[in-house]
Amino acid sequence: DIVMTQTPLSSPVTLGQPASISCRSSRSLVHTNGNTYLTWLQQRPGQPPRPLIYKISERFSGVPDRFSGSGAGTDFTLKISRVEVEDVGVYYCMQGTDFPWTFGPGTKVEIK
Amino acid sequence: QVQLVESGGGVVQPGRSLRLSCAGSRMKFSDFGMSWVRQAPGKGPEWVAIISTDGSQTHYSNSVKGRFTISRDNAKNTLFLQMNSLRPDDTGVYYCASQCEGCLDNWGQGTLVTVSS
Repeated sequence: DIVMTQTPLSSPVTLGQPASISCRSSRSLVHTNGNTYLTWLQQRPGQPPRPLIYKISERFSGVPDRFSGSGAGTDFTLKISRVEVEDVGVYYCMQGTDFPWTFGPGTKVEIK
Repeated sequence: QVQLVESGGGVVQPGRSLRLSCAGSRMKFSDFGMSWVRQAPGKGPEWVAIISTDGSQTHYSNSVKGRFTISRDNAKNTLFLQMNSLRPDDTGVYYCASQCEGCLDNWGQGTLVTVSS
């Protein structure tokens, strides 16, 4: 199975300041078709996960452009350009390249 | 927009069975691969199973393989998860989600399964 790791596990941030989360996979997420299936999801307390980014850097419909994704191979990053109150929650990366699909452990974003 | 509503959760004793359902609406259900994802209390999500649009292909996590079966009825826009030989570590909220390319885009609100004697 592909193991996903994230750093940091907790990220206290100041409102209006940027935040960055790293995700690493135990092996390359490049599919045989050339695509890389790395998704970022946000989970607010008491809510189901909400997908933000797919295929490394594509935003789902309705996701604010302050969220951006980057990376390649085994190393990926989610950036929030200016953190807002509504961004508080836990962020997960997930790989959909190989079965079983696997999630990272999560990064808790909270306001300082 | 797409709506997915899970049902069938509850409290069940270890070793017993439970069947979850997920009703899809405002979508052409038969056009989407579908997954189940679960989340134990205080833990992150764990992908459980996936089924192709016509039900001919399925994949499972190692932790449920041989015990759980995913299926679907496209005529009724419904996804199922048959869970047998339940264990306490199967406890959690079970979400259904529609599949995009290598991702899961629409999620339901989840149904809670508690395995306890």
